[in-house]
Amino acid sequence: DTGVSQDPRHKITKRGQNVTFRCDPISEHNRLYWYRQTLGQGPEFLTYFQNEAQLEKSRLLSDRFSAERPKGSFSTLEIQRTEQGDSAMYLCASSWTSGNVGNEQFFGPGTRLTVL
Amino acid sequence: AQTVTQSQPEMSVQEAETVTLSCTYDTSENNYYLFWYKQPPSRQMILVIRQEAYKQQNATENRFSVNFQKAAKSFSLKISDSQLGDTAMYFCAFIHLTGKLIFGQGTTLQVKP
Repeated sequence: DTGVSQDPRHKITKRGQNVTFRCDPISEHNRLYWYRQTLGQGPEFLTYFQNEAQLEKSRLLSDRFSAERPKGSFSTLEIQRTEQGDSAMYLCASSWTSGNVGNEQFFGPGTRLTVL
Repeated sequence: AQTVTQSQPEMSVQEAETVTLSCTYDTSENNYYLFWYKQPPSRQMILVIRQEAYKQQNATENRFSVNFQKAAKSFSLKISDSQLGDTAMYFCAFIHLTGKLIFGQGTTLQVKP
């Protein structure tokens, strides 16, 4: 399967703990996006990378959130000192973009985070 | 700021019939792309159809077609010959010039046998 993969699929943690999610994009894709989706809502943009450079971060991404894409391949999203409001589905998507931002973004299955 | 609005939280349709999902958006950009994504229950999001704003012709993908009205900033999705597998949440999305997607709130579609 050469689609976007995410790990873990589910994560339950206690408030105050740190969590880290991983996303493996489609191998030839240079762009990688993180979105957050709460129940019954549309995804909201968090951040994106072009290769290893993080080019934009949403104001939704507080100081407790950090994302990396160290070698322009996989990416990690870390949440420090989790809060109950962080409970959501975290989606990763990737695309190939060479000037045309309208190319399809392929989504992974998501990581569902529950903060108790 | 760009916004996307889907005013129908839930819809239902009988199998084999046609249904239209509504979407409006707001932007000051002239060149952009619009998408409809499908998110089946407990499954990942997949692209249904894409429309380039500079193309006047409405996009079509098999049973799925759009009615794109640029001046009205309207982008509706028509599903013909609805199938049980079309049951899902449908999201209208606008792509920002940086490449990030801006989604609507979604419409839950139930196809009834």
